[in-house]
Amino acid sequence: NAGVTQTPKFQVLKTGQSMTLQCAQDMNHEYMSWYRQDPGMGLRLIHYSVGAGITDQGEVPNGYNVSRSTTEDFPLRLLSAAPSQTSVYFCASSYSGGIREKLFFGSGTQLSVL
Amino acid sequence: DQQVKQNSPSLSVQEGRISILNCDYTNSMFDYFLWYKKYPAEGPTFLISISSIKDKNEDGRFTVFLNKSAKHLSLHIVPSQPGDSAVYFCAALRLNSGGSNYKLTFGKGTLLTVNP
Repeated sequence: NAGVTQTPKFQVLKTGQSMTLQCAQDMNHEYMSWYRQDPGMGLRLIHYSVGAGITDQGEVPNGYNVSRSTTEDFPLRLLSAAPSQTSVYFCASSYSGGIREKLFFGSGTQLSVL
Repeated sequence: DQQVKQNSPSLSVQEGRISILNCDYTNSMFDYFLWYKKYPAEGPTFLISISSIKDKNEDGRFTVFLNKSAKHLSLHIVPSQPGDSAVYFCAALRLNSGGSNYKLTFGKGTLLTVNP
């Protein structure tokens, strides 16, 4: 079972460049989300989606865009990368209905912005 | 304002002994508390959760205790094994009026090292 797949695993960008972090899940989960993990900061929610065509902001949404055109995919776009966006990014999904605490995480994308 | 706090960045225990990881929270409206475990170069994995209406939940070697009056929860691992060495995140969520919620609030994590 693939679960939650994130690509790429590593990426180096220059300030001002744009890129898209890909996330795909094969579990037919309605809920998907993006977190960033910074040293000493834990995991912080960037954006989330409760279904195709529905997205909302999390705790730290500035500088990031998302869209959800299919149930399976939830890409995260950096429009103009900044050094403050250097972080490890995790995509997560969970089952529809009930309590959504049991998130399934991808293995992460380590992003460096120079 | 950090709503979920893990004040110990690291903990080291001997194999076979008990590991106790602590977590404090400030928002009395949280409905569920959760523990996630994370190995290096992997995403976090769900470990155990507890509803705010309970004071204990047990799953094998893992037990979570909740003290609502103190706004404190702890994860006990007995007996500890070297494979338990990982970062443990405490998290909390508040249900919305529809009975579901999408925003987990995580603590900073505690690195547990279990020595053989």
